[in-house]
Amino acid sequence: GNSVTQMEGPVTLSEEAFLTINCTYTATGYPSLFWYVQYPGEGLQLLLKATKADDKGSNKGFEATYRKETTSFHLEKGSVQVSDSAVYFCALSDGGSEKLVFGKGTKLTVNP
Amino acid sequence: GAVVSQHPSWVICKSGTSVKIECRSLDFQATTMFWYRQFPKQSLMLMATSNEGSKATYEQGVEKDKFLINHASLTLSTLTVTSAHPEDSSFYICSAFRGLAVSGGETQYFGPGTRLLVL
Repeated sequence: GNSVTQMEGPVTLSEEAFLTINCTYTATGYPSLFWYVQYPGEGLQLLLKATKADDKGSNKGFEATYRKETTSFHLEKGSVQVSDSAVYFCALSDGGSEKLVFGKGTKLTVNP
Repeated sequence: GAVVSQHPSWVICKSGTSVKIECRSLDFQATTMFWYRQFPKQSLMLMATSNEGSKATYEQGVEKDKFLINHASLTLSTLTVTSAHPEDSSFYICSAFRGLAVSGGETQYFGPGTRLLVL
């Protein structure tokens, strides 16, 4: 079945540091890939997405590229801010399906 | 953006009692809602798909008699944990699916979650 593996946290960085959170997936067919973010006390919010190979999703300075050859969708940001502190979830949906399969989540803490 | 609320945000109950959790889409109608369960340091596990006006579809391994789902209207779905036991303690999250999309993930809006502790 479909699955998502993302790097274990927690991740602690200083402000303006470079961020990478690794995500790899296993899926039959051609899934769409997502990164969700959950700020403290709030629901998950869609951060970015990519629907086909080589697509790059981007939002709020975050980027992730759909790499079919390595089955990866790593999240990156060049310069993190304190306000980026949150839990980040990688997820996939099996093309055309509404169902999401999530990774375990990675907690990011950014210190000033 | 679209808002989904859950009530209560946390609940403590005695073993053997039933607990109802509400999920509401506040500014849009949702024909489909999803219920997830999250254990500490685990990913969100889809429990069931709730469809307005029809029976919920449960994922493999989820007891439908244990976790009763009612999608009473286009803005409300409820999850009732019946005869709760300590092993049902968890974080329950709902999402509401808004309209049509190429893939479902981009138009699911999540509630903030309900933490259940069964003593």
